[in-house]
Amino acid sequence: EVQLVESGGGLVQPGRSLRLSCVASGFTFDHYAMHWVRQAPGKGLEWVSGITWNSGYIGYADSVKGRFTISRDNAKTSLYLQMNSLGAEDTALYYCAKDTGNSLHYMDVWGKGTTVTVSS
Amino acid sequence: EIVLTQSPATLSLSPGERATLSCRASQSVSRHLAWYQQKPGQAPRLLIYDASNRATGIPARFSGSGSGTDFTLTISSLEPEDFAVYYCQQRNSWPLTFGGGTKVEIK
Repeated sequence: EVQLVESGGGLVQPGRSLRLSCVASGFTFDHYAMHWVRQAPGKGLEWVSGITWNSGYIGYADSVKGRFTISRDNAKTSLYLQMNSLGAEDTALYYCAKDTGNSLHYMDVWGKGTTVTVSS
Repeated sequence: EIVLTQSPATLSLSPGERATLSCRASQSVSRHLAWYQQKPGQAPRLLIYDASNRATGIPARFSGSGSGTDFTLTISSLEPEDFAVYYCQQRNSWPLTFGGGTKVEIK
């Protein structure tokens, strides 16, 4: 079964950092690009970042550029999101998602998400 | 950044009716557009990619059309499980962006 399991969310104070992880199983991880997508409470979807199969290309939303860093470890079939200088606007459910291919296109498998709450 | 505008924000229909959802891009995205369905408490599900291709396992009542800046998702006859929020997403240029969503609710 194809599965993505996120972890690392929690309550964090403004200005602090958090690292999210996503473990993949059931597919050949290093054949696919991966993404992070977030959803603020009661709001729509926002693409956060994506990384190609070999980390050769990385993209970020303008709202997180310079603060967030995406990475992957193909040997561990894992995706990561290092989030620094967090603000209230980063409060959201963060989804890990598998791309349909090895570049950055669409998302055909999603995890259940991990919640990040930024508050003092 | 390409802005995707979805309309209407809410669509109130009855089971069996036809649903027509619109997604308009601020500049051409060719046919590089997808549609997702999201039900409460669930992750999104890919329905349509590259404007008109159904994803694996998606029923034939879902169809997509359009190119350039104007796209449509059509649900030919609404089933009870189709009442949800639908999002469009473009991959033509960076950053990837989603539309604001259309909620299809039971009338």
